[in-house]
Parts: sequence; structure tokens; C-alpha cells
Amino acid sequence: DAKTTQPNSMESNEEEPVHLPCNHSTISGTDYIHWYRQLPSQGPEYVIHGLTSNVNNRMASLAIAEDRKSSTLILHRATLRDAAVYYCILRRFSGGYNKLIFGAGTRLAVHP
Amino acid sequence: DAMVIQNPRYQVTQFGKPVTLSCSQTLNHNVMYWYQQKSSQAPKLLFHYYDKDFNNEADTPDNFQSRRPNTSFCFLDIRSPGLGDAAMYLCATSSPRGRADEQYFGPGTRLTVT
Repeated sequence: DAKTTQPNSMESNEEEPVHLPCNHSTISGTDYIHWYRQLPSQGPEYVIHGLTSNVNNRMASLAIAEDRKSSTLILHRATLRDAAVYYCILRRFSGGYNKLIFGAGTRLAVHP
Repeated sequence: DAMVIQNPRYQVTQFGKPVTLSCSQTLNHNVMYWYQQKSSQAPKLLFHYYDKDFNNEADTPDNFQSRRPNTSFCFLDIRSPGLGDAAMYLCATSSPRGRADEQYFGPGTRLTVT
């Protein structure tokens, strides 16, 4: 299975940008890079995804390296509500369906 | 609001006593998934349904079964729970025709085995 590697934890101050890195050196050409986050006592929620180009949405930005072996999720201004576990995930088409392969996740702490 | 609902949020069962967890969705999505998430670990896919087609992950124990009687509902049956099955069980849905094939997760059911 494709694997992603993330720091166990990161810290940020409120109102500051946060860059969450992810390595996925075994990514295949058709794998999409997805990011989900999981707030305490909740199920994961979708944040953003991309294939080759950088992506922006209302929640975050995703920067993808040219060789696609790494990516960075960018939260432009962290808030206390952004404290969560962030999962970098490869979405792989396998056995006739799209499968999310979760990494271990990065626990983000946001300080006031 | 369209959503994924899991009941109950907390379930306590005895070692070896069958238990059923339920999931319902108002999104009308074709695909429904069950994940197991143990403490401080990432979710692990157990199986999924694409419409009525059941797809089991290779390493999912036989102790875990699933039923999907209609589009809206999906059940996870644990035939003989062991202490190692204590975990959060997450249900998710997706639509292959969706914008990003993103998965929508329910809040989970935390299972305790005594």
C-alpha cells in the first residue's frame, strides 16, 4: 500500500500561518493527494485534494512538489478551531473503487 | 442538513456478545464505508459497499460483517467481540460522481468491550 509520512505533532500560534508537510515517495501517477482533519470526538472531514497542481479553497491551500513525492497543507491563519489531527492521504483506485490510504496524521496544537 | 448519522454514539458490549452498529445517510450516496479507529491511530478501512456490491478488505477479520438493506442504511455486525475490538467505528459515504470523491464521515460509535 502507498504510504505517507507526517510529523507526529506540530504547534502554532493563533493568527499565524501553518505549514503541514507530508512525504509520499511511493505515490503512483494516478494517486490523488487528499487531506482530511479530525477534530476531537468527531469523524474526519475533508479539507482539500490535488493531483499535480497547487490548489486553494476556503479552508486551506495545498502545495504539491513537482515530482509529487511530497506536499504541504497550508492554513493561512490558524485559529483555535483548527486544532485537530491532520491526515495526509493517498486516494488510490484499486480493485474497482477509490480507496483512502490514511497516514498516521499530524496533531496540530494552536496556542492563543 | 444532509448528513451521516451513527447510532449509538457509545456502545458497551460484553466479551463474545454480538453487537450491531448502525449508520444512516441522507446524502443518497452510492458508496458506504466502515472504518475502525483505535486510540491514537489512523482510521483503518474494514469494508465498503458500492450500491449492493460488498467489498471486504483482505485483512478484515471474519468476526466483522456488514449489511446494507437499502441506500440509506448500513450495519456493522461484530459476531463475537474481543477486547481488541474496542475502538471507534466510523461510517463514511461517498459518491463517485461527486466533486472530489470526498468521503463524508459520521461522528463515530465508540465501542467498549467488557
